[in-house]
Amino acid sequence: AQSVAQPEDQVNVAEGNPLTVKCTYSVSGNPYLFWYVQYPNRGLQFLLKYITGDNLVKGSYGFEAEFNKSQTSFHLKKPSALVSDSALYFCAVRVLLTGGGNKLTFGTGTQLKVEL
Amino acid sequence: EAGVAQSPRYKIIEKRQSVAFWCNPISGHATLYWYQQILGQGPKLLIQFQNNGVVDDSQLPKDRFSAERLKGVDSTLKIQPAKLEDSAVYLCASSLGFGVQETQYFGPGTRLLVL
Repeated sequence: AQSVAQPEDQVNVAEGNPLTVKCTYSVSGNPYLFWYVQYPNRGLQFLLKYITGDNLVKGSYGFEAEFNKSQTSFHLKKPSALVSDSALYFCAVRVLLTGGGNKLTFGTGTQLKVEL
Repeated sequence: EAGVAQSPRYKIIEKRQSVAFWCNPISGHATLYWYQQILGQGPKLLIQFQNNGVVDDSQLPKDRFSAERLKGVDSTLKIQPAKLEDSAVYLCASSLGFGVQETQYFGPGTRLLVL
């Protein structure tokens, strides 16, 4: 089955320090990978995606992610964390369905806490 | 550009009652999705529409859940009768098409509590 795993339930980082939120994937064929962020009582906001091309993908709010095929990883990164980055982050993989459609299969989420 | 709209934002009902959620996707988006997000988990797809046709509803509990998108724009998701385990956030998402490169944009969700 095609899936993603987020090994850390929570990541704590000091404001101004770099942050990394980890994601590994298991897919057959080409992986189509996404990162979303969820603030309390709000829906998911799209951050970035990897479809093909450059392994370093840049997204919204200064976030970027590195696609690593050999390690089957797609870690989310930011050079300098802000307190306002504190939220729940989801990694997802696009899965093709037998009926011709597709869906996003999400990881369990990583709570990021940025402290002063 | 207006985002995906959902209503109501919150709903509390008793088990065995019925409830309906409404979604208005981003203008021009042909593909619409309903996801269920149980507390502490990632969202899980319930049903996918392309225009007003169902592309996939294999994860929809059809004995109690139904969804429609009659004119290819707005959609409603209904639960009848509700069970305690239906307590979750119901997220609607839309995308321009349903190619693998398409980005899904999510609404704010409807938080359902079944007592």
